[in-house]
Amino acid sequence: QVQLVNSGPEVRKPGASVKVSCKTSGYTFTRYGITWVRQAPGQGPEWMGWISGYNANTKYAEKFQGRVSMTTDTSTSTAYMELTSLRSDDTAIYYCARDYYTSGTYHFDYWGQGTLVTVSS
Amino acid sequence: DIQMTQSPSSLSASVGDRITITCRASQSVRTYLNWYQQKPRKAPQLLIYAASNLQSGVPSRFSGSGSGTDFTLTISSLQPEDFATYYCQQSSSTPYTFGQGTKLEI
Repeated sequence: QVQLVNSGPEVRKPGASVKVSCKTSGYTFTRYGITWVRQAPGQGPEWMGWISGYNANTKYAEKFQGRVSMTTDTSTSTAYMELTSLRSDDTAIYYCARDYYTSGTYHFDYWGQGTLVTVSS
Repeated sequence: DIQMTQSPSSLSASVGDRITITCRASQSVRTYLNWYQQKPRKAPQLLIYAASNLQSGVPSRFSGSGSGTDFTLTISSLQPEDFATYYCQQSSSTPYTFGQGTKLEI
């Protein structure tokens, strides 16, 4: 069965960086993209960007341009999201989700359990 | 960015009720509209994709409709496990944006 498993919780100080992983199993990694979504406490989800599992092409939300980097390791079917220059308002749960393309568009059909990133001095 | 606005923000209902949640986009998203259910401390789960297509494994009491800027999610007969927060999300253009959520309470 398809599974996405995010890495464990992280605590960082303002200005630091964090790298969250998403280990996948149960499907061919290179046939799908991975989307990263974050959710701040009490807020709705926020799309951060996407990476192709096939060729590692990326598309980032403009809000995160220059601070986010998404990568993949096809040998372990794992995706990574690194966020730099952390601020307190980056405190959130960070999810990865599988991109599924059908009916002319994408939706997110399987999700990781999320990684809580806390930014605090 | 395309803004997604859901209404109501919260809704009280009873088991067996029929409820409808609406989602409005700030510009046309064609039928590129998805619905997710989220329970506390869990990741969102896909319910409906491309406005009206039921995701595999999702009960048939859930249905979606709409196109352009106006969409609805309907639950025909509420079950206890349906009390959760629901989000719409457009996949017409990046950044893909979510609504602010509708919390469905008993």
